[in-house]
Amino acid sequence: QQPVQSPQAVILREGEDAVINCSSSKALYSVHWYRQKHGEAPVFLMILLKGGEQKGHEKISASFNEKKQQSSLYLTASQLSYSGTYFCGTGGSSNTGKLIFGQGTTLQVKP
Amino acid sequence: DAGVIQSPRHEVTEMGQEVTLRCKPISGHNSLFWYRQTMMRGLELLIYFNNNVPIDDSGMPEDRFSAKMPNASFSTLKIQPSEPRDSAVYFCASSQQALVNTEAFFGQGTRLTVV
Repeated sequence: QQPVQSPQAVILREGEDAVINCSSSKALYSVHWYRQKHGEAPVFLMILLKGGEQKGHEKISASFNEKKQQSSLYLTASQLSYSGTYFCGTGGSSNTGKLIFGQGTTLQVKP
Repeated sequence: DAGVIQSPRHEVTEMGQEVTLRCKPISGHNSLFWYRQTMMRGLELLIYFNNNVPIDDSGMPEDRFSAKMPNASFSTLKIQPSEPRDSAVYFCASSQQALVNTEAFFGQGTRLTVV
């Protein structure tokens, strides 16, 4: 089952904050976050694992609520370069690289 | 490293023709993934390989699709015969290992248009 992302789209002014949510109906072992700019490949941002381990960019923060099967990506003091589509990918097991991606959240940061 | 390399970048073909997409993963990466991206269905995992062996092909839409990985540095995704509904961007990605604590690196994609 594909995770559900919200909101579908958000428009910000530079310097504003945003939160993107990812929710799954299945138990999760991990959540991956990627950003894709128009016409380009998705780029890795962060991995959050069951148990609290995280791996990713220093300027990106995220949370993973295992009980609620939800993750949130926090974008603070947004910059123009943050514009793009953000995808969460969910993994249900520790021994597989299989991820199910959400539909994406389009973020537009304006000057 | 040059990253994951896909070819061709764009492919336009007629319905019924065979299409072959190619991917060279990052050297030293043991896992390779093929994804398809469309507006309607988003980013879908088609198949992934670990150490050149197909591990999960449950996302392959039908028998018209096949994928191979003859060695650690090359993989192909073939569609035969192609149909207009196969039009999409196909991404190849590689990672050091097929585990959920490992990030994937995506190629630039192949935009396939079947007319």
